Amino acid sequence: QSVLTQPPSVSAAPGQKVTISCSGSSSNIGNNYVSWYQQLPGTAPKLLIYDNNKRPSGIPDRFSGSKSGTSATLGITGLQTGDEADYYCGTWDSSLSAEVFGGGTKLTVL
Amino acid sequence: QVQLVQSGAEVKKPGSSVKVSCKASGGTFSSYTISWVRQAPGQGLEWMGRIIPILGIANYAQKFQGRVTITADKSTSTAYMELSSLRSEDTAVYYCARVQADSSGYPFDYWGQGTLVTVSS
Repeated sequence: QSVLTQPPSVSAAPGQKVTISCSGSSSNIGNNYVSWYQQLPGTAPKLLIYDNNKRPSGIPDRFSGSKSGTSATLGITGLQTGDEADYYCGTWDSSLSAEVFGGGTKLTVL
Repeated sequence: QVQLVQSGAEVKKPGSSVKVSCKASGGTFSSYTISWVRQAPGQGLEWMGRIIPILGIANYAQKFQGRVTITADKSTSTAYMELSSLRSEDTAVYYCARVQADSSGYPFDYWGQGTLVTVSS
């Protein structure tokens, strides 16, 4: 059971937009910064979003992040087949003194 | 360019220990925090602990306290994760990841390629 809650799967057609939610509590998302990772099959996770809404160099602006209260959201516009992957949210949990992750969301681009 | 290169796959017997290495290049190793994250087959990401090489201080997730030891060798820019008393549930891919310095949170900006550890009798 993951500390952060994500939907197991989402899907959308190429060119469309999708959002992935990540729900937590005041000890994690509510008082800490959220990161998002993309994991393509058989590869290591890749940082997509950090500090709630910042993109590392090289990440296209099709990817965006936001946070409100104890929830965070990853948005992806202009979906491409290459976006099919597992997406994870992560943040520090002040009560556990540990980094915690969501269970992951599998994105299918139909 | 920063790279984290991990040691190769391991097959271990239940009750034994495994030590995985993570060699960094292209950055100032000592200044960054290195975390270890594992992923069981078909499962999500699980944080195990971290080390700040310049301080030599390690912190561990409660779940792994007493079973995991994370160390770092500044002279070779290499971090290590040793997990003892292995059981079948420890079968997973183990990743090292660097914590990004210029951020307010603790995002992992670079990851190793992963090391598969299989625990089987």
